[in-house]
Amino acid sequence: DTEVTQTPKHLVMGMTNKKSLKCEQHMGHRAMYWYKQKAKKPPELMFVYSYEKLSINESVPSRFSPECPNSSLLNLHLHALQPEDSALYLCASSLLLEDEQFFGPGTRLTVL
Amino acid sequence: GEDVEQSLFLSVREGDSSVINCTYTDSSSTYLYWYKQEPGAGLQLLTYIFSNMDMKQDQRLTVLLNKKDKHLSLRIADTQTGDSAIYFCAAMDTGRRALTFGSGTRLQVQP
Repeated sequence: DTEVTQTPKHLVMGMTNKKSLKCEQHMGHRAMYWYKQKAKKPPELMFVYSYEKLSINESVPSRFSPECPNSSLLNLHLHALQPEDSALYLCASSLLLEDEQFFGPGTRLTVL
Repeated sequence: GEDVEQSLFLSVREGDSSVINCTYTDSSSTYLYWYKQEPGAGLQLLTYIFSNMDMKQDQRLTVLLNKKDKHLSLRIADTQTGDSAIYFCAAMDTGRRALTFGSGTRLQVQP
């Protein structure tokens, strides 16, 4: 298995909802990443996990809560989001930190 | 920290070569990457080059690195309509141990 999968593909949520994004890889990678991408912009790093421990938090608001329950799985829990949080959320993984990163297809999130 | 810059748009005719340019600021960047993003999709890793190399060729793709000028380019030979996409240059920020992306170059291929 040589890909990163993300579910769901699309998500529409209200500002009071709680939802989660899921990312999975079975390549034995030990670093996993969440990025946020707005239209016509490059991806912005949100969180980095290395060996299931949070390594980087790019001052992301607490309404985004990452979780890495095991080396293959990365979640992003969402609560009380704002319309400006609407974006494409991309997950990536790499063998180790500083190795080439492989991206999933993304979850298109719309907050109403 | 690292800063990466790219031109925003490039238009070429099918069959021509495309050259996308990128500059970066951190001379200690170990790896430099090129990613392709088609509309509504994730990023596809196209190729990368280690900082001690000055050229890498992979089928239709050629990466040139001028480390002195901190300039990276991606040449696509025999450009096809399927190459139309946004191309991101990215550099490994060795301080943060994270990628810094350029703003992306939109490549439009005219039939």
